[in-house]
Amino acid sequence: QKEVEQDPGPLSVPEGAIVSLNCTYSNSAFQYFMWYRQYSRKGPELLMYTYSSGNKEDGRFTAQVDKSSKYISLFIRDSQPSDSATYLCAMSGAAGNKLTFGGGTRVLVKP
Amino acid sequence: DTAVSQTPKYLVTQMGNDKSIKCEQNLGHDTMYWYKQDSKKFLKIMFSYNNKELIINETVPNRFSPKSPDKAHLNLHINSLELGDSAVYFCASSQWGAGGPAKNIQYFGAGTRLSVL
Repeated sequence: QKEVEQDPGPLSVPEGAIVSLNCTYSNSAFQYFMWYRQYSRKGPELLMYTYSSGNKEDGRFTAQVDKSSKYISLFIRDSQPSDSATYLCAMSGAAGNKLTFGGGTRVLVKP
Repeated sequence: DTAVSQTPKYLVTQMGNDKSIKCEQNLGHDTMYWYKQDSKKFLKIMFSYNNKELIINETVPNRFSPKSPDKAHLNLHINSLELGDSAVYFCASSQWGAGGPAKNIQYFGAGTRLSVL
């Protein structure tokens, strides 16, 4: 069993819908939780990060962490075709340098 | 001006060959990484160097040997290539330090697609 589990999708939604993504994990030492976006044939780029439990909002993106359930989520409001990409969750311990990634969820936003 | 650049972008080679992938960053970071992304999109760290010193060395066959000639460069040499080495290899860089991703965001290159035939 992987340390971080993520549904591979694809998740297909119409433009303007809310995209809901999530990951579960098993290592209770994880303290930093990140979401990366990866376009086809590109490297991942950091979207958001959260420390410990709680919510964080940045524009159309909201990240949630529930450490008691070992569950993290990313919501994308008013989704656009340009949001079509693979979204990878990642986690790390206190130092924050060694990242453990989920397998990514492919998202397709249809116009 | 690309922040983290890898060469080559594509590499097709025969089993048993030896090949190298090069990575350079112009962000002034002191830490560089190699990741492997398999066909199922799992991205797994292989190595990390901080100021030319190896600090992360995951369970990777010793056919893989990283080399960091200076802080801005991290190369990956692979001996005796096997079919299972086919993957996309990503280089990344960050600034080392405690405090999580706020202080050490990792910037990724575009990847090197390795196909072993």
